[in-house]
Amino acid sequence: GESVGLHLPTLSVQEGDNSIINCAYSNSASDYFIWYKQESGKGPQFIIDIRSNMDKRQGQRVTVLLNKTVKHLSLQIAATQPGDSAVYFCAVGIQGAQKLVFGQGTRLTINP
Amino acid sequence: DAGITQSPRHKVTETGTPVTLRCHQTENHRYMYWYRQDPGHGLRLIHYSYGVKDTDKGEVSDGYSVSRSKTEDFLLTLESATSSQTSVYFCAIRDRTSNTEAFFGQGTRLTVV
Repeated sequence: GESVGLHLPTLSVQEGDNSIINCAYSNSASDYFIWYKQESGKGPQFIIDIRSNMDKRQGQRVTVLLNKTVKHLSLQIAATQPGDSAVYFCAVGIQGAQKLVFGQGTRLTINP
Repeated sequence: DAGITQSPRHKVTETGTPVTLRCHQTENHRYMYWYRQDPGHGLRLIHYSYGVKDTDKGEVSDGYSVSRSKTEDFLLTLESATSSQTSVYFCAIRDRTSNTEAFFGQGTRLTVV
């Protein structure tokens, strides 16, 4: 089965700096990857996803990078703002399959 | 929250009592999921449903049962609550045919005393 891990449970950055949150997965058959943001007291919210036929995908201030060779996924947040403070989860799945496997989350703290 | 409503939002119950959590969706999605979230464990799948009366177990299904008699409702039941089931429970929906992400409800905080 799939297992998903994150390299750091917490990350602290200065406001305005870029943040990088990492995720590793184990199943080479996984081909669908999602990043979620969870604010205190709320459910996880979709940020961005990427499929295995891509190495990079950009959204508004966020970029997801996928390295299938080493089974590694990262989320980059540009010019971090106080509103970016949250727990970030990666989720991994196989397109057409029924389940996603979630990592444990990285808590991002923004220092003023 | 993508048309997902969880109820109740908070509940305190005693050990040994049955508890039912409800997830209601207005999106007509086929797939519905129940997760629990605990510190150090992230989100773990309890049960999921792929249609009315079609359900399957996730990785932490022991002590839980589910039912889906209508497309819009997915119920999670703790037959006899234990302190280890104190957690935050999230319902999610997903449209598998379009391979889109899961949308989550606001969560139910359950405390078993």
